[in-house]
Amino acid sequence: DAGVTQSPTHLIKTRGQHVTLRCSPISGHKSVSWYQQVLGQGPQFIFQYYEKEERGRGNFPDRFSARQFPNYSSELNVNALLLGDSALYLCASSLTGGTGGGTEAFFGQGTRLTVV
Amino acid sequence: DAKTTQPPSMDCAEGRAANLPCNHSTISGNEYVYWYRQIHSQGPQYIIHGLKNNETNEMASLIITEDRKSSTLILPHATLRDTAVYYCIVRVAGMLSGGGADGLTFGKGTHLIIQP
Repeated sequence: DAGVTQSPTHLIKTRGQHVTLRCSPISGHKSVSWYQQVLGQGPQFIFQYYEKEERGRGNFPDRFSARQFPNYSSELNVNALLLGDSALYLCASSLTGGTGGGTEAFFGQGTRLTVV
Repeated sequence: DAKTTQPPSMDCAEGRAANLPCNHSTISGNEYVYWYRQIHSQGPQYIIHGLKNNETNEMASLIITEDRKSSTLILPHATLRDTAVYYCIVRVAGMLSGGGADGLTFGKGTHLIIQP
């Protein structure tokens, strides 16, 4: 079975540009979450989507947005890129959106975004 | 989510059991303990989770104290491939009213180094 797939794997953008990152969850998983990981830190929660609706949001500015499609894949969009947005962006999928049994999150390999 | 405290780093000899401690003294009765690990440049990998009973799977065992204020992740026969950052996370059970849940809150974790 395919795991969580993210594209692209690496990306270089210029300050002020916009970027779209993509995530395909594990087949049958309905929840997708996005995380940002800067060098030397643990991942920080950005969004969770479940059944195509935003169900949770971390402490990130409105420049960050996301959506989930009918096939449960997801996009993360970041506008007006700043140098500080350089990070590894991780997508995780889970069967449901809650906790407890069957809710383990499975992560993709991430997209390495560099803003110059 | 309750905060967790982990040692920043630990060493373990290859073939020995690795015991990773985690303190979560403010954990609530409805919060699970989750463990993830992150091997360099990869996405985090789910290991195990539990509520109050000890748990075991093919990767590890999770021992939760009776008062639930601390836990230990045990890798029974550590190999060089177990070198990674290990994150202990507590997370509220169940779903939010709209479905879904808050994201995982990663701290800095424990950098476990397996020595040959």
